[in-house]
Amino acid sequence: DIRLTQSPSFLSASVGDRVTITCRASPSIDQNLNWYQQRPGQAPELLIYGTSTLQSGVPSRFSGSGSGTDFTLTISSLQPEDFATYYCQQSYSVPLFTFGPGTTVHV
Amino acid sequence: QVQLLQSETEVKKPGSSVKVSCKASGGNFSGYAVTWVRQVPGQGLEWVGQSIPLFGKGNFAQHFQGRVTLTADESATTSYMELSGLRSDDTAVYYCARVTMIQGATYFDYWGHGTRVTVSS
Repeated sequence: DIRLTQSPSFLSASVGDRVTITCRASPSIDQNLNWYQQRPGQAPELLIYGTSTLQSGVPSRFSGSGSGTDFTLTISSLQPEDFATYYCQQSYSVPLFTFGPGTTVHV
Repeated sequence: QVQLLQSETEVKKPGSSVKVSCKASGGNFSGYAVTWVRQVPGQGLEWVGQSIPLFGKGNFAQHFQGRVTLTADESATTSYMELSGLRSDDTAVYYCARVTMIQGATYFDYWGHGTRVTVSS
């Protein structure tokens, strides 16, 4: 089974901050890693797929990088609407999938 | 623009079954898989399973093997997830999502609004 861990679990930040969230996979998943954002009370939304490709409509302040076992999601300048929980998800073991435990970004 | 419309809140007794629907508005699921994800209150996302509507039984997380059935209507417009042997710890919001596979990447690009299932005696 592929396991994903995220750090930190909670992150305090302010508008304008640069934020980095880490996702670690075991074992390696090449670049088969996606990121989702979930605002309170809402369904998740796809942000990034294939490690670094921005989904259509996602602001360019979001970026993703990594390969193998270590991945990062970066928000270059945090905006009020970015306070949410972020989940990584692996698609290496298609048709089986796994989500990370999530990182909550709050004020 | 594809929208996924899910059935409304369900309240069920322990040991019973629930069937949640997911209707594609603005298209259908032809050529796509549909996946199901649940979220227990206050917790993270948990992948349940996925299937290609009208093609086979699907694939499931080990935790749900033998308890989940995924089906679809003949037009592949509506997908269904049925969970049997309900327990109190199945209380959660259940989401459907469309699975897109392109250029080696697989991801969930359109999500339903979620169906809250409460299991209580």
